[in-house]
Amino acid sequence: AAGVIQSPRHLIKEKRETATLKCYPIPRHDTVYWYQQGPGQDPQFLISFYEKMQSDKGSIPDRFSAQQFSDYHSELNMSSLELGDSALYFCASSSSGGARTDTQYFGPGTRLTVL
Amino acid sequence: AQSVTQPDIHITVSEGASLELRCNYSYGATPYLFWYVQSPGQGLQLLLKYFSGDTLVQGIKGFEAEFKRSQSSFNLRKPSVHWSDAAEYFCAVGGTKYQAGTALIFGKGTTLSVSS
Repeated sequence: AAGVIQSPRHLIKEKRETATLKCYPIPRHDTVYWYQQGPGQDPQFLISFYEKMQSDKGSIPDRFSAQQFSDYHSELNMSSLELGDSALYFCASSSSGGARTDTQYFGPGTRLTVL
Repeated sequence: AQSVTQPDIHITVSEGASLELRCNYSYGATPYLFWYVQSPGQGLQLLLKYFSGDTLVQGIKGFEAEFKRSQSSFNLRKPSVHWSDAAEYFCAVGGTKYQAGTALIFGKGTTLSVSS
């Protein structure tokens, strides 16, 4: 079965640079989520989109922005990168359907290293 | 505020022995509950979920979990552990109100080691 696709899988950046992470949801899923997982930590919710509109917002820094496009893929843009941004970034997708069954399925993650 | 507690940071179980990982949640109503597993450097794989109905839910890889409202718990069990089950296990809670895109709140995770 098709899964969530994230690119790139690994990314190395210098401090103060920018990074763009991409997420392609499972086909026919209309909702995407972004999570950040620091080393040895649990995933922390950043932001989500439903039908291209922001749905929920967590602890996303102002330096980060995201959007969902008409084909439902999403991009997380990160600017002025800091050492503390080094983490595994997960995208998840779900289908809202007509009932509350929006189970989130996670991608393999993008490992961002900021030097 | 919603929260999830996994009291055990690290558990070691002998191969073939039974397993129970604990999860307690704090929420105003019956939440949607999930267990995910993460192998080192990998993504999160859904093991099972509870939305409503039968409080004993079956998942993949022989795992099951029981929702106990009176104890605000959703413990994960497996009758016989295999070496390949060694991984990090996360319990998570989702919202109950109908809103697509509601965040999952994760527990801190339990690392499972399997000894031979």
